[in-house]
Amino acid sequence: NAGVTQTPKFRILKIGQSMTLQCTQDMNHNYMYWYRQDPGMGLKLIYYSVGAGITDKGEVPNGYNVSRSTTEDFPLRLELAAPSQTSVYFCASILGQRLNYGYTFGSGTRLTVV
Amino acid sequence: AQSVTQPDIHITVSEGASLELRCNYSYGATPYLFWYVQSPGQGLQLLLKYFSGDTLVQGIKGFEAEFKRSQSSFNLRKPSVHWSDAAEYFCAPSGGYNKLIFGAGTRLAVHP
Repeated sequence: NAGVTQTPKFRILKIGQSMTLQCTQDMNHNYMYWYRQDPGMGLKLIYYSVGAGITDKGEVPNGYNVSRSTTEDFPLRLELAAPSQTSVYFCASILGQRLNYGYTFGSGTRLTVV
Repeated sequence: AQSVTQPDIHITVSEGASLELRCNYSYGATPYLFWYVQSPGQGLQLLLKYFSGDTLVQGIKGFEAEFKRSQSSFNLRKPSVHWSDAAEYFCAPSGGYNKLIFGAGTRLAVHP
């Protein structure tokens, strides 16, 4: 069981470039989330999804887009990278009715925009 | 609005000393409550969680936490800290659509 897989682990982008952070889970979890982590700020929710075809904004969605065409995949798209998007990005998932099993987090993607 | 506060940004303790990390939340109802730990350069590991019932919950690595409804608190404790406990600790209530709302974190340093 792979859990939540995030790719790439590291990436350097130039200002204005675009990229997609990949997130895949193989646990048939219906709820998925994208967080960003900045030093001293904890983790902030960017977008989340409660199932295939359903997404919604979190606390800090500006500059990002998501899609959820399948249960397994929840990619995060940066269209015009800005230095403010330099951060560590975590994807997480949970089976909606099984909170007692806890959330599963990916290992993170460290993104630097220069 | 839902929020969570971890008042202590940095805490330093001596190895073998006791530890308490504070967490206060603001929610309309009692949320599910989680504590996560993150070692440098690593992902997040679940320490413990509270859903209902016994207000004192036990977790991994010898940690425990106590839920106090009257104080809207969920403080994390450990009776004797080990050097390997040095890490950052996050309190995270779970709200609507099971979204985790993270505190800013408390960075723990352990002196030998």
